[in-house]
Amino acid sequence: EAGVAQSPRYKIIEKRQSVAFWCNPISGHATLYWYQQILGQGPKLLIQFQNNGVVDDSQLPKDRFSAERLKGVDSTLKIQPAKLEDSAVYLCASSFSQASGTQYFGPGTRLLVL
Amino acid sequence: TQLLEQSPQFLSIQEGENLTVYCNSSSVFSSLQWYRQEPGEGPVLLVTVVTGGEVKKLKRLTFQFGDARKDSSLHITAAQPGDTGLYLCAGVPPGNTGKLIFGQGTTLQVKP
Repeated sequence: EAGVAQSPRYKIIEKRQSVAFWCNPISGHATLYWYQQILGQGPKLLIQFQNNGVVDDSQLPKDRFSAERLKGVDSTLKIQPAKLEDSAVYLCASSFSQASGTQYFGPGTRLLVL
Repeated sequence: TQLLEQSPQFLSIQEGENLTVYCNSSSVFSSLQWYRQEPGEGPVLLVTVVTGGEVKKLKRLTFQFGDARKDSSLHITAAQPGDTGLYLCAGVPPGNTGKLIFGQGTTLQVKP
């Protein structure tokens, strides 16, 4: 069974530029999560989707971050404009359902903002 | 706001030593998970503990959930270089939201 796929794996941009990350969850998984992991810290949930609907985006900086999962399968996370403090690893995870309890993580996209 | 305090943040030990990582909160969780993360990879689930006082063993790793379901510990016996990595605890708040609250992580280095 294929795992969670993310691309790109690495991205370097200058501040004020925009960037987009893509995630393809495990087939059949209804719930998709985007996390931000700053170096030396644990992952912080940015947004949670159930199919194509948003369940929780309370910690998403909505003035610059946006995410969508239009067809309830793959998802994109965008940052526009990027700030220096956005440098982090962006992890995507999926689970069969909200109640399943087990999240499967992708390898992450490492973003460096200069 | 539910928080998980994980300690220590960094641990560097010699092969064969034992170690314990702690995960503490003032909040009750319905379950608690432990993950291990290698450089350049996402976290991988090691275990989920659900019942207060529960103890689970995974080879040389022993996981315990506190009686009040507010804290947990991970004990590694006779650590090996292959145990090197970032260990994360994650609490599942009450209610089937699927949300995870992660601790800050413990970076473990086991030297041969």
